[in-house]
Amino acid sequence: GAVVSQHPSWVICKSGTSVKIECRSLDFQATTMFWYRQFPKQSLMLMATSNEGSKATYEQGVEKDKFLINHASLTLSTLTVTSAHPEDSSFYICSATGSTGNTIYFGEGSWLTVV
Amino acid sequence: TQLLEQSPQFLSIQEGENLTVYCNSSSVFSSLQWYRQEPGEGPVLLVTVVTGGEVKKLKRLTFQFGDARKDSSLHITAAQPGDTGLYLCAGARSPDYKLSFGAGTTVTVRA
Repeated sequence: GAVVSQHPSWVICKSGTSVKIECRSLDFQATTMFWYRQFPKQSLMLMATSNEGSKATYEQGVEKDKFLINHASLTLSTLTVTSAHPEDSSFYICSATGSTGNTIYFGEGSWLTVV
Repeated sequence: TQLLEQSPQFLSIQEGENLTVYCNSSSVFSSLQWYRQEPGEGPVLLVTVVTGGEVKKLKRLTFQFGDARKDSSLHITAAQPGDTGLYLCAGARSPDYKLSFGAGTTVTVRA
């Protein structure tokens, strides 16, 4: 079964609104979580790395004020897309790893459509 | 410029044929992972290789990690339509274990 769960699986929101996506580790403590964005038929693009209890580290070109990441506990990280626009429509995927970093587990992904 | 160069980008073969996907870099990785992803789903881990020169077999899939831990290959023997999907290689470098992904290879196996 899944060890990392994302919610919601898909969401449609109106342009200008904010939407939150959750990423939970189900049976391990995720010291580090990663957020990716993926466009159709393309690879995963890392957006940010979040460590529990500290601010997320964003990749170059990713707006931290637009993509708010919170990693408040060892089992939960959230990505909030603020003031969403149609160009933010994409497949968002999280992954999580424990303290050793040996194995990285991916969530099922969340489809965001902004209309 | 991607850290990992994955090739080919697309591969379409007939059922029963063999195929190889390559993943190359000028950087050294502490580990390299191969994933398979179906449309609308998250990537599913196939294998992790950590030792230079390591070869791992998973049924009809053979994974190899280069001696210098800079490159890897995935070979599928007697491909089946169920092997169709997007194959992604990803390298991890300590200490932050961020994964750098290749561009992906879309494999289509025709019945």
